Amino acid sequence: EAGVTQFPSHSVIEKGQTVTLRCDPISGHDNLYWYRRVMGKEIKFLLHFVKESKQDESGMPNNRFLAERTGGTYSTLKVQPAELEDSGVYFCASSSGPRYTFGSGTRLTVV
Amino acid sequence: ELKVEQNPLFLSMQEGKNYTIYCNYSTTSDRLYWYRQDPGKSLESLFVLLSNGAVKQEGRLMASLDTKARLSTLHITAAVHDLSATYFCAVDAVGGNEKLTFGTGTRLTIIP
Repeated sequence: EAGVTQFPSHSVIEKGQTVTLRCDPISGHDNLYWYRRVMGKEIKFLLHFVKESKQDESGMPNNRFLAERTGGTYSTLKVQPAELEDSGVYFCASSSGPRYTFGSGTRLTVV
Repeated sequence: ELKVEQNPLFLSMQEGKNYTIYCNYSTTSDRLYWYRQDPGKSLESLFVLLSNGAVKQEGRLMASLDTKARLSTLHITAAVHDLSATYFCAVDAVGGNEKLTFGTGTRLTIIP
């Protein structure tokens, strides 16, 4: 089966700009998650979708971050306006049952 | 709030040696996961431990879980260079399919 796909793999933007990250989960996986790893720190949970509904968005850092999951398929994570501290690697994962499959991440650099 | 502590953060070891990475977590959990990450790559699932006393082995890696002590270990036997990577443990909340809480990761470097 195809894995979890994320794009872009890298993005460099200026402070104040907008960036949209995309995640395509494994087909049929109802659960979709976003995580972020800031340089040198642990991987932190951002939010969890079940199908198109937000199950838990307790990890979203602030209202500059907006996540959507259209029709319960792919998901986007928009950062607007981006700040320097938003730099890091953003991972997406999907699950069905006890196993989580992660994408290769999007490395976001805000300059 | 569930906390996961992993140590050591950095580990440099010679080929052929044995070592253990430790993962402690703070509250009751159903599941513990070990992942490997190579630079710029995805998190690769290594082990899923689902019950107290679970032990799983794959090649030179063996993972175990003690839910009473809230401790999991990842043991490396006779390390080889290909095992150089960052290893993460993660814990799933009770009930599962909620969210993973990760340890800080252990950057393992195997020296020839």
